[in-house]
Amino acid sequence: GAVVSQHPSRVICKSGTSVKIECRSLDFQATTMFWYRQFPKQSLMLMATSNEGSKATYEQGVEKDKFLINHASLTLSTLTVTSAHPEDSSFYICSARDRAGDIYNEQFFGPGTRLTVL
Amino acid sequence: TQLLEQSPQFLSIQEGENLTVYCNSSSVFSSLQWYRQEPGEGPVLLVTVVTGGEVKKLKRLTFQFGDARKDSSLHITAAQPGDTGLYLCAGAQGGSEKLVFGKGTKLTVNP
Repeated sequence: GAVVSQHPSRVICKSGTSVKIECRSLDFQATTMFWYRQFPKQSLMLMATSNEGSKATYEQGVEKDKFLINHASLTLSTLTVTSAHPEDSSFYICSARDRAGDIYNEQFFGPGTRLTVL
Repeated sequence: TQLLEQSPQFLSIQEGENLTVYCNSSSVFSSLQWYRQEPGEGPVLLVTVVTGGEVKKLKRLTFQFGDARKDSSLHITAAQPGDTGLYLCAGAQGGSEKLVFGKGTKLTVNP
C-alpha cells in the first residue's frame, strides 16, 4: 500500500519551454501532496504544499507563477515548470499523505523526476 | 539554522560493521520518520516513531526516539552493501503538515 507514482521519470527540454510533472497516489486518497526539489548530494527542499481543491501554499522564495501546482483530485497533483531555464534543472520529488488514518504526518514519496533544461 | 541536525554527514564502513546515525534538535517533535533514499529514486519510509523513549526494530535496523522527543537514532547491525544509501530523518511539529528534514547521512557499505 501507499504507492505514489510520478511521470515522467526523466525529461529533457529546451530553455523557454514548459514541463508538466504528474504525481499520483495509486492506492490511497491524498488530501495533501507536497512538492520537493533536491539538488545533488543534498537533502529535500520543500517547494509547496498542495491541497485538493484549493490553491497551493508555496514556501518562501519559490515563485508561484513559475512553478504552477494543480491538485485537481484526491489522487493527482501536477507541477508545471513554466519557461524553464537551465537553473531549473533538478530532481523533483512529490509526496502524499494518506487521507485515512494518518495521524503521524507520514509522507509517501514518488520516485522523482529528473528535469534537465538545455 | 538547521532544525534537525544529522550526523555523521558521510559514513563509509566495511560489510559486517555496526553503525549509528544521529538526528538531533532543540525542538520537540510530535513524530519523527526515518527514510532511506537510493540515487535517482524517491525516499522510502522506514519507520515512524511517536512516543518518547520508543524503540522500534526492523530486522537489523533499530530506531530510537529520545525521551523528550527531540532526538532520534538509527542503529544498523552487521551492515550489508544493500544498506548503502542516503538516510534522512524528518520530524513533524505540532499541527503542521510539513516535515522538517535533516541534511541526511550518506552511508556506503563496502563489500
